[in-house]
Amino acid sequence: SQTIHQWPATLVQPVGSPLSLECTVEGTSNPNLYWYRQAAGRGLQLLFYSVGIGQISSEVPQNLSASRPQDRQFILSSKKLLLSDSGFYLCARSLGGGSYNEQFFGPGTRLTVL
Amino acid sequence: SQQGEEDPQALSIQEGENATMNCSYKTSINNLQWYRQNSGRGLVHLILIRSNEREKHSGRLRVTLDTSKKSSSLLITASRAADTASYFCATDFGNQFYFGTGTSLTVIP
Repeated sequence: SQTIHQWPATLVQPVGSPLSLECTVEGTSNPNLYWYRQAAGRGLQLLFYSVGIGQISSEVPQNLSASRPQDRQFILSSKKLLLSDSGFYLCARSLGGGSYNEQFFGPGTRLTVL
Repeated sequence: SQQGEEDPQALSIQEGENATMNCSYKTSINNLQWYRQNSGRGLVHLILIRSNEREKHSGRLRVTLDTSKKSSSLLITASRAADTASYFCATDFGNQFYFGTGTSLTVIP
């Protein structure tokens, strides 16, 4: 199974509030995990990726952080949300590098910061 | 930025026509992939073409890759209303993936 779970599906939060989005995956152990943000009508921006427990790489400086406490769990957090954090957050997994490296995406979380 | 760019940004065609969208990228790649996204949903992988391949087919999809021009094209033949979606190209750089800005395709029944 390549199932990826994300919750919540939608979220409305006030500016300055904290955030925690969770992603869990089923199937292959030690997957590469990714967090993307998609602004309305735009492409995907890679935020974080992880190749293993406790290993996080950040692509862009921002007020978001990510953690990987377990092999199949990837969490996106913020201490204080900004209006610009609104968007569609997608978690994805891949099997690793190589010619057959494709990504499987979760259903996404739509975040609105007011 | 290592992100790719697709063009056109939006495309509207009649059912039965072919749809062609293009992707340009900036760095050398291992492979290039195309994904589809229905409105408000996650992305679904369509096809992967390796850097040493020039053309690949999957059903009604045909992908070409020109590494000298750093570009790729996705052709959807005999389009259907159900093909209405956004289409993204993606390149990988190590463990990182970079997605283009997408082409929004509307197929009119």
